[in-house]
Amino acid sequence: GENVEQHPSTLSVQEGDSAVIKCTYSDSASNYFPWYKQELGKRPQLIIDIRSNVGEKKDQRIAVTLNKTAKHFSLHITETQPEDSAVYFCAASPSGGSNYKLTFGKGTLLTVNP
Amino acid sequence: DAGITQSPRHKVTETGTPVTLRCHQTENHRYMYWYRQDPGHGLRLIHYSYGVKDTDKGEVSDGYSVSRSKTEDFLLTLESATSSQTSVYFCAISTSGQTNTEAFFGQGTRLTVV
Repeated sequence: GENVEQHPSTLSVQEGDSAVIKCTYSDSASNYFPWYKQELGKRPQLIIDIRSNVGEKKDQRIAVTLNKTAKHFSLHITETQPEDSAVYFCAASPSGGSNYKLTFGKGTLLTVNP
Repeated sequence: DAGITQSPRHKVTETGTPVTLRCHQTENHRYMYWYRQDPGHGLRLIHYSYGVKDTDKGEVSDGYSVSRSKTEDFLLTLESATSSQTSVYFCAISTSGQTNTEAFFGQGTRLTVV
């Protein structure tokens, strides 16, 4: 089955700096890669996703890049703010059929210091 | 909240007792999932369903069973609860898995086995 590795497990940055979280996956059939943000005591919520036919996607201060050859994808947050502090999870999945299921990385605790 | 509701939200139970958690959705999504979340392990898939009466195991399925007799309900049963099953359980739903593959999570159920 799919295996997703996520690094680092914790990340501390100063407000205004950039943050980068990296993930690798093992199953070459995976073609959908979402990122979730989970605030303390809340449910995970999707912040951005990318599919295998796209190399990069941006949404305001966040961006995701995908390298299918190397089987890795990354989340980039620019101009970080204290409200970006949360646990971030990457995930991977093939799409469609009975095999559609998200496999998650173990998460990155991001702390943005004012 | 994508029309997904988990019940109960909190439960304390004794070792050896059976426990059933319910996930209810109102939007007729095909895919439903049960994850457990533990510190240091991220979100791990227990079981998932890709249609009524169609279910399959995830990576941590031992000690759990599921049933989906209608589209809107996905039940997770701990046959005989153990302390290692103390966790936060999240249900998630997803659409067709072909194009719109975003997964939405329920609010979570905090289960304590004493």
